[in-house]
Amino acid sequence: EPEVTQTPSHQVTQMGQEVILRCVPISNHLYFYWYRQILGQKVEFLVSFYNNEISEKSEIFDDQFSVERPDGSNFTLKIRSTKLEDSAMYFCASSGGSNSNQPQHFGDGTRLSIL
Amino acid sequence: AQSVAQPEDQVNVAEGNPLTVKCTYSVSGNPYLFWYVQYPNRGLQFLLKYITGDNLVKGSYGFEAEFNKSQTSFHLKKPSALVSDSALYFCAVRDIGGFKTIFGAGTRLFVKA
Repeated sequence: EPEVTQTPSHQVTQMGQEVILRCVPISNHLYFYWYRQILGQKVEFLVSFYNNEISEKSEIFDDQFSVERPDGSNFTLKIRSTKLEDSAMYFCASSGGSNSNQPQHFGDGTRLSIL
Repeated sequence: AQSVAQPEDQVNVAEGNPLTVKCTYSVSGNPYLFWYVQYPNRGLQFLLKYITGDNLVKGSYGFEAEFNKSQTSFHLKKPSALVSDSALYFCAVRDIGGFKTIFGAGTRLFVKA
């Protein structure tokens, strides 16, 4: 069964540095998402992406964050100047179909640790 | 604003007994409702969804969920629990036509042999 893959599995970065988290969604999916899960807390929506543009974003997704689909397979999340509170698990997800009732398929996440 | 409540942090059940994991939601219109399961060090896996129609939805691994519009609930159920069902379960809601999915805080299920 096709999977969403995320790299790296663990990223350690100094505060203030830029970080790029990478995801390869399922190949025929059209909708892409990023979520984060701070340790012990709920899964929080960051952003959704469709047709090469952001379709929806949360209040968490401020100017520090950006997303990009640089080629036909990768979907990246960039945090421009990381803060301690950015430490979390970041999950990429993708879904197929033409409407929002389709389930999302999640990767296994990238653990981001900001020092 | 949308919200999802999972009132129990943890549910304990003996293997072979029925299990229920509770979820209530608050949305302005008609929502799409989902259940996901998360095993340690893994991403979320889709279990089932409610879009419209029959209030009892069947999903993966023998799980089912009952949609109750008047109580705004979407409880997850399984007639006979397995030890391997022990995991973290998330209820989620999405507006029709929207893409932002709101997750509950999660309920940890322990199934004892």
